[in-house]
Amino acid sequence: GEDVEQSLFLSVREGDSSVINCTYTDSSSTYLYWYKQEPGAGLQLLTYIFSNMDMKQDQRLTVLLNKKDKHLSLRIADTQTGDSAIYFCAESKTGGGNKLTFGTGTQLKVEL
Amino acid sequence: ETGVTQTPRHLVMGMTNKKSLKCEQHLGHNAMYWYKQSAKKPLELMFVYNFKEQTENNSVPSRFSPECPNSSHLFLHLHTLQPEDSALYLCASSLIAGDTDTQYFGPGTRLTVL
Repeated sequence: GEDVEQSLFLSVREGDSSVINCTYTDSSSTYLYWYKQEPGAGLQLLTYIFSNMDMKQDQRLTVLLNKKDKHLSLRIADTQTGDSAIYFCAESKTGGGNKLTFGTGTQLKVEL
Repeated sequence: ETGVTQTPRHLVMGMTNKKSLKCEQHLGHNAMYWYKQSAKKPLELMFVYNFKEQTENNSVPSRFSPECPNSSHLFLHLHTLQPEDSALYLCASSLIAGDTDTQYFGPGTRLTVL
């Protein structure tokens, strides 16, 4: 079955880079997403990557995809206190009717 | 994010109560979704509606009853719930239920079943 796994916690100092990792099991996954959830809020789509890409960069965010190892990472450069949130990895597949399978989320804490 | 709104934001109910959660989207979308977010568990997709038609029921117990009267509104009717149903219920919408359509989420309803 489909499974998406993430570590539960990550703590970094302000100004450092954060790297949040995700592994998935379904080799037919076509689209991989990163969502951010701040306290009391819904999920906000940060970025997504197609499975035929290795990397995608968007301002402070860099997504790396190792399809062979089924490993996805999100790097946040110059992490700020406003980046403190829960980050969810999710995957979907072509013909899947936009059904997302989410990981458990990684709580990022940014310390001064 | 004001594109998708949910009411109420918090709800406490007994196991014999009947209540409804409401979701409204102001984005002109045609697909709407209900998700359940429990502590330390991945988000679980519950239902998908595409152009008012239910296209997905992810083996959800019948004590949860969705209703989609039009593309802008989605309800989740609750009756005889169990304490383990306590969770954050998130609504989302997308242009259609297509493969790459970005889902926009509401803030959720925090449900507590006593």
